[in-house]
Amino acid sequence: GENVEQHPSTLSVQEGDSAVIKCTYSDSASNYFPWYKQELGKRPQLIIDIRSNVGEKKDQRIAVTLNKTAKHFSLHITETQPEDSAVYFCAANGFQKLVFGTGTRLLVSP
Amino acid sequence: DAGITQSPRHKVTETGTPVTLRCHQTENHRYMYWYRQDPGHGLRLIHYSYGVKDTDKGEVSDGYSVSRSKTEDFLLTLESATSSQTSVYFCAISESRLAGYNEQFFGPGTRLTVL
Repeated sequence: GENVEQHPSTLSVQEGDSAVIKCTYSDSASNYFPWYKQELGKRPQLIIDIRSNVGEKKDQRIAVTLNKTAKHFSLHITETQPEDSAVYFCAANGFQKLVFGTGTRLLVSP
Repeated sequence: DAGITQSPRHKVTETGTPVTLRCHQTENHRYMYWYRQDPGHGLRLIHYSYGVKDTDKGEVSDGYSVSRSKTEDFLLTLESATSSQTSVYFCAISESRLAGYNEQFFGPGTRLTVL
């Protein structure tokens, strides 16, 4: 079955810097890669996703890139702000389900 | 937020007692999932349902059972709770679309403590 690895587990940046979180997956049949943001005490919420027929997708300050050959995808956050502080999860789809990475705690310091 | 509720939101119970958590949706989505979230482990799938009375195991299903008698309700039961089942439990729903991928929406979570 699918296996997803996520790095780093913790990431600290200064406000205004960029942040990059990387994930690798094992199943070449996976074709959907969402990213979720979870603020403290809240539910995970989808922030961006990418399908396997595109290599990059942007939404304001966030972007996701996908390299199908290498089986890895990344989340890029530019001009980070304190409200970006949260835990971020990547995922890849297996049969009828998503497989999640273990999460990255992003801390943005003012 | 999608129409997903979980009950109870918090529960403290004792080792060996049965516990049932409820997930209720108003979106008429086909797929429903139960996850547990623990520090360092992310979101791990316990069981999921792909239709009424159709369920399957996830990666951490031991000690848990589920039932889905109606589209809108998905129940998670701990037959005999243990301290290792202390966790935050999330329900999620999804409506499968083209190409087999499934965007999931999460409920607010249930914090369960087993003493």
